[in-house]
Amino acid sequence: AQTVTQSQPEMSVQEAETVTLSCTYDTSESDYYLFWYKQPPSRQMILVIRQEAYKQQNATENRFSVNFQKAAKSFSLKISDSQLGDAAMYFCAYRSLTEYGNKLVFGAGTILRVKS
Amino acid sequence: DGGITQSPKYLFRKEGQNVTLSCEQNLNHDAMYWYRQDPGQGLRLIYYSQIVNDFQKGDIAEGYSVSREKKESFPLTVTSAQKNPTAFYLCASSIETAYSNQPQHFGDGTRLSIL
Repeated sequence: AQTVTQSQPEMSVQEAETVTLSCTYDTSESDYYLFWYKQPPSRQMILVIRQEAYKQQNATENRFSVNFQKAAKSFSLKISDSQLGDAAMYFCAYRSLTEYGNKLVFGAGTILRVKS
Repeated sequence: DGGITQSPKYLFRKEGQNVTLSCEQNLNHDAMYWYRQDPGQGLRLIYYSQIVNDFQKGDIAEGYSVSREKKESFPLTVTSAQKNPTAFYLCASSIETAYSNQPQHFGDGTRLSIL
């Protein structure tokens, strides 16, 4: 079974600075999807960015980008020009393409605090 | 607007009581999921359903039951057999196609507490 590890329970960043959240995963599969979700205090889960494993190019969405290292099984999230609204819990998630059900396997999450 | 509606937002359960959490979606998604979220932990899958009248156990199904009689609805019952039901419950849905990179969409959640 796949596992996802987020080794940073909490991170802090100064407003307008850049922060990187770490995520590693364990799988024997060669094709899969990876996601970062954001959960603000409202508790709603919001998709931040997605990455297909077959794509070598790192995904980018405005101020959010990933560093996808397939051989190292690493999928870190970089937030540039951090804003107060970025403060939230961030979850890394893995989705198999071979297992029935399109299920997501989540990491334990990283709390991001943004200081003004 | 299309989305997922979970109700109620807060729910209290007495000892020995079964309670049902509602999840309705109008996104025309085939697949639906139930997750449990505890403090300091990520989301854990309880049950999921890829099509109507079919559902599968997730990682922590004991003490829970579901039904999928309609495409739009996937209610979760927390039974008295679930000894530690206090948690935040999230419902999600997605396009069923295995090779779609479309993400799961989530509802706003239900917080269940024991009286």
